[in-house]
Amino acid sequence: DAGVIQSPRHEVTEMGQEVTLRCKPISGHDYLFWYRQTMMRGLELLIYFNNNVPIDDSGMPEDRFSAKMPNASFSTLKIQPSEPRDSAVYFCASSLVSEIYGYTFGSGTRLTVV
Amino acid sequence: DAKTTQPTSMDCAEGRAANLPCNHSTISGNEYVYWYRQIHSQGPQYIIHGLKNNETNEMASLIITEDRKSSTLILPHATLRDTAVYYCIVRVAESPPSFGKGTLLTVNP
Repeated sequence: DAGVIQSPRHEVTEMGQEVTLRCKPISGHDYLFWYRQTMMRGLELLIYFNNNVPIDDSGMPEDRFSAKMPNASFSTLKIQPSEPRDSAVYFCASSLVSEIYGYTFGSGTRLTVV
Repeated sequence: DAKTTQPTSMDCAEGRAANLPCNHSTISGNEYVYWYRQIHSQGPQYIIHGLKNNETNEMASLIITEDRKSSTLILPHATLRDTAVYYCIVRVAESPPSFGKGTLLTVNP
């Protein structure tokens, strides 16, 4: 298995533009998580899905952020419009419902909004 | 809600054992102790977890005190590649991990 795959690895965009981050979880995993990491705030959980259904989005910072999981093998995190303070590394992770061995994280997308 | 307390940073000599402490005095009976690490520019990586008993795998050992209020992650023979931020997390199995600041372990040659 190739692990959790995120794209793009790096994204530079101008303030006000729409940004879409993508994640392919490990096949068979039924939980998917989006995290954001900054120097100031560390790793923050934004939202997570179970069987493609959003379970908890209380970590989503504001309405400019939205996440979807149209099927078991794909999820997107969209920021519209983007702002410089959204600059961060965004990680996606997946796990099994009976997970006790921990989550598997992707390599992250480094977003820079200028 | 900081459930765990870890030192901000630690140093270790290459080849020596690295012992990373974690306090979790408010841990509940159904909460596990998990350890992850994050090497620079990579996503967090699962290391080990435990409930009550000490655990060992190919990466590390986890020692949990009898009262479960603290634990120690042991890397038996630290290498330069073990330099990373180590996160101690307590959680029930079904809940997403909440990461604190962790401990920056620097392994020196």
